[in-house]
Amino acid sequence: DAKTTQPTSMDCAEGRAANLPCNHSTISGNEYVYWYRQIHSQGPQYIIHGLKNNETNEMASLIITEDRKSSTLILPHATLRDTAVYYCIDTGTASKLTFGTGTRLQVTL
Amino acid sequence: SAVISQKPSRDICQRGTSLTIQCQVDSQVTMMFWYRQQPGQSLTLIATANQGSEATYESGFVIDKFPISRPNLTFSTLTVSNMSPEDSSIYLCSVGQGLGQPQHFGDGTRLSIL
Repeated sequence: DAKTTQPTSMDCAEGRAANLPCNHSTISGNEYVYWYRQIHSQGPQYIIHGLKNNETNEMASLIITEDRKSSTLILPHATLRDTAVYYCIDTGTASKLTFGTGTRLQVTL
Repeated sequence: SAVISQKPSRDICQRGTSLTIQCQVDSQVTMMFWYRQQPGQSLTLIATANQGSEATYESGFVIDKFPISRPNLTFSTLTVSNMSPEDSSIYLCSVGQGLGQPQHFGDGTRLSIL
């Protein structure tokens, strides 16, 4: 079973920031937070990951709360091509990824 | 990130037959994994492919049904044996370098069993 919980779906207007929340209620000290997305018919695409600190790359920003029990993925300027299912996952030394049902993000005009 | 190639990209097979899926990476990787995505579902880990030794299977998956090979650090195969319609899924290979490093996925093999 998935270790994280996410909203089933979200909508975002094109050009606006998309903020996708995730709860990591059972995360332990050495487990990283990963975000992936899957666009229809493709393999999951890695977006960003972090351990304790907030992270930013060319795709997104990751905000991790101080207690690490929740994280937020931020797409600063969503486009139609960001429409996808987004997965948050926490995993440790075995590096095994347990996918939940994810959040289906629909970006609209 | 590593470039991952899976072959075949899709196939239609007869019930009772077996199919071997190949995963080739363009650089050496520490870890390789095989996942299944059933229609309309999320991904489920089948096994970790271990170089030079038997794969480590997750609960609900067995070696007789899903034999896996990993002869070196850039290549792995997954065989789906004695296929039935319930095996119709997308099978995905992923690779990673261990703790703190992201896994990257191939585009998968879309398998349909008649």
